[in-house]
Amino acid sequence: DVKVTQSSRYLVKRTGEKVFLECVQDMDHENMFWYRQDPGLGLRLIYFSYDVKMKEKGDIPEGYSVSREKKERFSLILESASTNQTSMYLCASSGGGPGELFFGEGSRLTVL
Amino acid sequence: GQNIDQPTEMTATEGAIVQINCTYQTSGFNGLFWYQQHAGEAPTFLSYNVLDGLEEKGRFSSFLSRSKGYSYLLLKELQMKDSASYLCAVRDQTGANNLFFGTGTRLTVIP
Repeated sequence: DVKVTQSSRYLVKRTGEKVFLECVQDMDHENMFWYRQDPGLGLRLIYFSYDVKMKEKGDIPEGYSVSREKKERFSLILESASTNQTSMYLCASSGGGPGELFFGEGSRLTVL
Repeated sequence: GQNIDQPTEMTATEGAIVQINCTYQTSGFNGLFWYQQHAGEAPTFLSYNVLDGLEEKGRFSSFLSRSKGYSYLLLKELQMKDSASYLCAVRDQTGANNLFFGTGTRLTVIP
């Protein structure tokens, strides 16, 4: 069974803290993505990666960075968390076929 | 850029048929996807259309008209478990072939 696993389902952090969100996929997919999902705004792409060590900015990269040191792992980093980064973060991967996305369960981050 | 529009909420009765519409504007259309997302869960893939016409998959069907920038998801024989948000997403060649999502339609199925 294909699986995308995110390290934490729920996190509470304070303003200014550094936050790491980890994502691992077991499908040997080349492509990995980080989205955030907010009510009324839908899913918005933060960063994506089409290969190891490669990263590209999505639509809303400000305040975020990513790391892809291994094919199966894609990490999202908030260098200094702010309250407007309170959101649901979804990791996804895609491979062959029509290129549909397989999502992780999501990480709900609250920044106080 | 991309613009995707779908209704915010819909309500339908168990056993009935419901159609969820999605209109889009994009400069480099390269496929349309529908996802289902239950509250508190991850989105799951339902269907994919890249050519005009209807794709049927059990109780769910998806239709695409590229000339009209229009798609719909048709759910037949509605069940209570179909209560969820339905997300329309468009792949755009000019956007590194990434998916761009609409805000989703929250469907409530009532007895």
